[in-house]
Amino acid sequence: GAVVSQHPSWVICKSGTSVKIECRSLDFQATTMFWYRQFPKQSLMLMATSNEGSKATYEQGVEKDKFLINHASLTLSTLTVTSAHPEDSSFYICSASLGGGYGYTFGSGTRLTVV
Amino acid sequence: GENVEQHPSTLSVQEGDSAVIKCTYSDSASNYFPWYKQELGKGPQLIIDIRSNVGEKKDQRIAVTLNKTAKHFSLHITETQPEDSAVYFCAASIGNDMRFGAGTRLTVKP
Repeated sequence: GAVVSQHPSWVICKSGTSVKIECRSLDFQATTMFWYRQFPKQSLMLMATSNEGSKATYEQGVEKDKFLINHASLTLSTLTVTSAHPEDSSFYICSASLGGGYGYTFGSGTRLTVV
Repeated sequence: GENVEQHPSTLSVQEGDSAVIKCTYSDSASNYFPWYKQELGKGPQLIIDIRSNVGEKKDQRIAVTLNKTAKHFSLHITETQPEDSAVYFCAASIGNDMRFGAGTRLTVKP
């Protein structure tokens, strides 16, 4: 089946540094990938839609200069949290569209802790 | 845009009992309704889905029903087991635009 690999699964970084999270579709091509943020005991909050070869579409209230998204190939999208602060600590999850109305496959998530 | 509401937010059942989670959606154009199970510290996993041209779908102990007229759909888990304990999310989508419910934390007591 369709598998999405997300790395790292967890990361601890210092305030002011940047962190990159990778999302790879392993056995299919994903023209569209999505990035979510999830706070404890809450639902998935869509941050942005990543389209291969074009700029990402950000949801209202999400700072595009802080959360940089790159979707350079049909199998890889990256999310870079720039100048991270403790309030950026969260669980970040990516997903890839299977196309044709077949829904999404999610990555395993990345726990980011900024100290 | 689409708005998905999910109830209850928490659900506790005894092992072997059934569990039902309900969702409503607002956009009648939504045509795909997946359900995801999320265990602690992991990404959501698709457990079952249904399309707008189908009223019911079953996969072993899990079933989903869809009422397009009322714009609501439900997840039914029968013969619950402790390993069913997790957070369950419903979603409604039109093409690539998928919106999620707030989630239901299901606890199955042994």
